[in-house]
Amino acid sequence: DTGVSQDPRHKITKRGQNVTFRCDPISEHNRLYWYRQTLGQGPEFLTYFQNEAQLEKSRLLSDRFSAERPKGSFSTLEIQRTEQGDSAMYLCASSYDLEAETQYFGPGTRLLVL
Amino acid sequence: AQTVTQSQPEMSVQEAETVTLSCTYDTSENNYYLFWYKQPPSRQMILVIRQEAYKQQNATENRFSVNFQKAAKSFSLKISDSQLGDTAMYFCAFPNAGGTSYGKLTFGQGTILTVHP
Repeated sequence: DTGVSQDPRHKITKRGQNVTFRCDPISEHNRLYWYRQTLGQGPEFLTYFQNEAQLEKSRLLSDRFSAERPKGSFSTLEIQRTEQGDSAMYLCASSYDLEAETQYFGPGTRLLVL
Repeated sequence: AQTVTQSQPEMSVQEAETVTLSCTYDTSENNYYLFWYKQPPSRQMILVIRQEAYKQQNATENRFSVNFQKAAKSFSLKISDSQLGDTAMYFCAFPNAGGTSYGKLTFGQGTILTVHP
């Protein structure tokens, strides 16, 4: 039973560069969520997919952020023109609509923007 | 808007003792779920326990149990026989119950629990 996986686990980039993260949810899960977590804080919601449809985007998700889930399986989160304030842990979670909204989290991608 | 409050930034406990972490929340929903997640240092967020609001019985998972007081909107986590591996940050979380935000989790600020040998 494989859990949620994320790639890469760590990313260091220079300000202004673009980065892309990937999330592979648990195979039968139709819902996928992205969260951002800064040090010592709880995760904050970024965006949510049900199958391939992106149903909500947080106001935290500026125009530089885009997320896709093209075939309702894996998802990508891209940040364009990164800023130092984007440094954080980006968490992906997935759930199955018959399992009481329980979300299972991946290990996260830690982004550091220099 | 839903809010989740954890009023204890840090807690500590001796190994084998019992500790209780507090969480309060605010919602206008009647049927919902509540979750406790554990995040060990530099490691993955793990589900600890889940409570369904329409069930009067408090959830229990081995050494972990909750005290759910629906009227008071309180959801505390009790850890019995604490172990060194319980050292982690603990988050209380509450999902949106409907609409396009269905399932979106709102997290509390977290409580850092340290178990001492």
